[in-house]
Amino acid sequence: SAVISQKPSRDICQRGTSLTIQCQVDSQVTMMFWYRQQPGQSLTLIATANQGSEATYESGFVIDKFPISRPNLTFSTLTVSNMSPEDSSIYLCSVEAAAYNEQFFGPGTRLTVL
Amino acid sequence: AQSVSQHNHHVILSEAASLELGCNYSYGGTVNLFWYVQYPGQHLQLLLKYFSGDPLVKGIKGFEAEFIKSKFSFNLRKPSVQWSDTAEYFCAVNAGNTGFQKLVFGTGTRLLVSP
Repeated sequence: SAVISQKPSRDICQRGTSLTIQCQVDSQVTMMFWYRQQPGQSLTLIATANQGSEATYESGFVIDKFPISRPNLTFSTLTVSNMSPEDSSIYLCSVEAAAYNEQFFGPGTRLTVL
Repeated sequence: AQSVSQHNHHVILSEAASLELGCNYSYGGTVNLFWYVQYPGQHLQLLLKYFSGDPLVKGIKGFEAEFIKSKFSFNLRKPSVQWSDTAEYFCAVNAGNTGFQKLVFGTGTRLLVSP
């Protein structure tokens, strides 16, 4: 399995600021994903982050709002830009382990925007 | 677009009761199906998955799920729940032709098992 850590685990931010969330994996993986889980709702895929190429965003999510970096096979960042209270959510990183045919999830970052 | 419906948002059971959580999806092609569980304070983790073959899939901790293609369903079952099964359960679907797991999740079911 893959062990994933995220930083920060939680944060409270002011409207209009930006927050960068880090995701670190203990092994090299090709596919990394970022999800959002808004209060009382399901997990929604924001984007797929591949090393060496631009992230692929899902409908409703744009690079200007959620820029993603993927500098190597074990690390990725998601930035939530120009935050508003509607961005209050849990943000999760996951990786696909091809050998296991499953995704492993990080612990999540709980973001509150005031 | 794919979607996943979990009809039970909250379920409360006593220990030893049987459990069945419903999951229906909308996608007409080949699908891969998953149940994930999130115990309080822990990461999401995989309970079981279906890719092909026997439609009755057995997972960890005594859970099983049955894929019924004609009903577009993948219900989760456990014959006798324990207090430690208290958690949130998510059904997820991936269209089988994307080459990687682009998961669509249901809204989750919170299960509370009383001792």
